[in-house]
Amino acid sequence: NAGVMQNPRHLVRRRGQEARLRCSPMKGHSHVYWYRQLPEEGLKFMVYLQKENIIDESGMPKERFSAEFPKEGPSILRIQQVVRGDSAAYFCASSPVGGSLETQYFGPGTRLLVL
Amino acid sequence: AQTVTQSQPEMSVQEAETVTLSCTYDTSESDYYLFWYKQPPSRQMILVIRQEAYKQQNATENRFSVNFQKAAKSFSLKISDSQLGDAAMYFCAYRSLTGNQFYFGTGTSLTVIP
Repeated sequence: NAGVMQNPRHLVRRRGQEARLRCSPMKGHSHVYWYRQLPEEGLKFMVYLQKENIIDESGMPKERFSAEFPKEGPSILRIQQVVRGDSAAYFCASSPVGGSLETQYFGPGTRLLVL
Repeated sequence: AQTVTQSQPEMSVQEAETVTLSCTYDTSESDYYLFWYKQPPSRQMILVIRQEAYKQQNATENRFSVNFQKAAKSFSLKISDSQLGDAAMYFCAYRSLTGNQFYFGTGTSLTVIP
């Protein structure tokens, strides 16, 4: 069973460009979580999605950030008009059900660098 | 909101020795889950060990064990017989029974000295 896949692993963007980060959950998992890790900090929750639904986006910045998890295909975290402060590692995690009994399985992360 | 504190930014241990990483948390909930994750240089988050708050018995996974003190809100990780491959960042995390997210500490960087 392949683990959580994220691509790209590294992404470089110039200020003002758009960044698209993809996450394919583990097989059989229908719940996806996105986290951001700034340098020297722990992971911070951003958003929790189920197929075609955003369940909790309390950690998402109000502007420029959006997330989706379509019926088919990977989950996408989209950052519009990136700024240098968006430079971070973005981690995706998945679980088979949404309850807290389930451990979240993390992907390898995408390192975004904004020049 | 729940907070997780790791007061040791860096720790080192001699190979084959034992090291303990500290973690404290703040919550008003009575039931929750606690985790230790390892993040090696590859940056992938790897689950090390998990503890259910309603269980009094400390969790153990091979060389990894925890000392869970619920009243003190403390959750330390003990690594026995340390190996070079244990070198990594270690994150303590909290998750409530009803919440959707983990709350992470700022991490402890562990160096293993040959």
